[in-house]
Amino acid sequence: NAGVTQTPKFRVLKTGQSMTLLCAQDMNHEYMYWYRQDPGMGLRLIHYSVGEGTTAKGEVPDGYNVSRLKKQNFLLGLESAAPSQTSVYFCASSRDYEQYFGPGTRLTVT
Amino acid sequence: LAKTTQPISMDSYEGQEVNITCSHNNIATNDYITWYQQFPSQGPRFIIQGYKTKVTNEVASLFIPADRKSSTLSLPRVSLSDTAVYYCLVGDGRAAAGNKLTFGGGTRVLVKP
Repeated sequence: NAGVTQTPKFRVLKTGQSMTLLCAQDMNHEYMYWYRQDPGMGLRLIHYSVGEGTTAKGEVPDGYNVSRLKKQNFLLGLESAAPSQTSVYFCASSRDYEQYFGPGTRLTVT
Repeated sequence: LAKTTQPISMDSYEGQEVNITCSHNNIATNDYITWYQQFPSQGPRFIIQGYKTKVTNEVASLFIPADRKSSTLSLPRVSLSDTAVYYCLVGDGRAAAGNKLTFGGGTRVLVKP
């Protein structure tokens, strides 16, 4: 039982490049979330999903897109990366109020 | 979403009890109070959740007064490994709301030998 896994762990992008972050969970959770955490700050919700095929905007959705084609996977896309998107990205899943977080992806945009 | 206020940092010593108070004056009827712990370079980890009065589990206790405008997380007999950032979150606990969480700045707890 791996819990929540994230791919990749680290990535460096140039401004304007695109990439997709993959989140996978093996707990059969309905809810999945993407957060970003900037240095010394709390986490901010980017997008979330309440079930397969559904997504919704969180607190800071601009510049990101998401898809939940399979229940166990939640993808976060950056179409045209900007330096302001340099951050650590965390994925989480939940059945109810307790969210389980992945190890994070450290993204640097130069 | 209810805003929370908690101390930026706290120091303690091994074996002591640590109490972190969180203020949430605008808490709504459907809101629950949840605490998470985060170690450096890791994702947050759920500690405890409550609605009113007192909740206790194997790692912490959560005290919520009748007016629910504040809450206190109590960590008994802390050890060095309890050094972390602790987040107080207030949000709609109903599944229909998506179980969304809003993180504030958190409290950095440093446990000294």
